[in-house]
Amino acid sequence: GESVGLHLPTLSVQEGDNSIINCAYSNSASDYFIWYKQESGKGPQFIIDIRSNMDKRQGQRVTVLLNKTVKHLSLQIAATQPGDSAVYFCAEILNAGNMLTFGGGTRLMVKP
Amino acid sequence: EPEVTQTPSHQVTQMGQEVILRCVPISNHLYFYWYRQILGQKVEFLVSFYNNEISEKSEIFDDQFSVERPDGSNFTLKIRSTKLEDSAMYFCASSDGGQPQHFGDGTRLSIL
Repeated sequence: GESVGLHLPTLSVQEGDNSIINCAYSNSASDYFIWYKQESGKGPQFIIDIRSNMDKRQGQRVTVLLNKTVKHLSLQIAATQPGDSAVYFCAEILNAGNMLTFGGGTRLMVKP
Repeated sequence: EPEVTQTPSHQVTQMGQEVILRCVPISNHLYFYWYRQILGQKVEFLVSFYNNEISEKSEIFDDQFSVERPDGSNFTLKIRSTKLEDSAMYFCASSDGGQPQHFGDGTRLSIL
């Protein structure tokens, strides 16, 4: 059965270093992927998205990489700052629908 | 920057009572969503709403749940007879015609 509580993997990085957060997805028919950041007591905040016809997309300090062969998504944060500390979720959408399916999340902790 | 707003931030209700959670989506958005996040677990999709009707719903969204857009600005989630297991954070989201979905900061629902 499903566990009651979710143990979040944690990534701890030094301020100024680059962070890489990984996500595996299971459905090869998913055609849209998105990364959200969630701070304590807040809702998910959009960071960056990518469609399945791309393998890389860059934003300000963030890059998303999509490897469809192994169904893997990653979020790279350059020059990580204390304000980047949060839980990061990947999410996917299947077949041009609208239902986001969220992954379990990774907690990023930035040490000053 | 326009944002999704949700009220109340915290709702405490006796088991068996009806509860209505309220959301004001971003003003030019056409698609509206509800998600929930049980403490320590993943964010889960409940329902999407477009053109005054439900477009998708999950298994969680049973007959106890309903959604409504009573006027041009509000989007509500009603739970008719609350159960202990309905205790969760409930997030509203909206999008303009596709993705990304923008989330509010949620309503914490506590069922006693």
